[in-house]
Amino acid sequence: DAEITQSPRHKITETGRQVTLACHQTWNHNNMFWYRQDLGHGLRLIHYSYGVQDTNKGEVSDGYSVSRSNTEDLPLTLESAASSQTSVYFCASRQGENTGELFFGEGSRLTVL
Amino acid sequence: AQKITQTQPGMFVQEKEAVTLDCTYDTSDPSYGLFWYKQPSSGEMIFLIYQGSYDQQNATEGRYSLNFQKARKSANLVISASQLGDSAMYFCAMRGFNQAGTALIFGKGTTLSVSS
Repeated sequence: DAEITQSPRHKITETGRQVTLACHQTWNHNNMFWYRQDLGHGLRLIHYSYGVQDTNKGEVSDGYSVSRSNTEDLPLTLESAASSQTSVYFCASRQGENTGELFFGEGSRLTVL
Repeated sequence: AQKITQTQPGMFVQEKEAVTLDCTYDTSDPSYGLFWYKQPSSGEMIFLIYQGSYDQQNATEGRYSLNFQKARKSANLVISASQLGDSAMYFCAMRGFNQAGTALIFGKGTTLSVSS
């Protein structure tokens, strides 16, 4: 079955380290998204991509970057991790702009000490 | 700018009762979509129901229905005959259909607790 997977599922890192969270989907979806979930804030959009070589900033993009070199993957990089980036990160994908629902990965819990 | 507001941090209901989770939205897009997602304690995001802004009928999916009141900009989720397995966090979300607004914007969520 087609799916969307995130790795690692859990990670602990130190302040200042570079961290990359992987997201891989096998649906061949064009649209991919990264969100972070924090208590009291719901899900907030970090970055998104509508296709290969396309990336866009979301509401809370500072300190994060993404790249889209193929359809299947949208890795999220924290260049210099900060304690404020401790969160649960969700990757999601959607087939096209005129369809609705997002398909979510299982989430990656990141702790920055 | 688009905005979703969920004013109920927590809701409590007994099994077999109906419950309404509130959601109001704000957008300048003439065409938009509204969604509800469920997040159980295991953490995954589960899509429940979708309503398009031009849909004439309120959306229904099994025990879930979306009470869409366009003039009031509300999109409340109604769960009929609550079950213990309905205990979860529920998120309302919206997307526009212009290039800048096709990502989903989420509310802060409502925690639903169902007791026996």
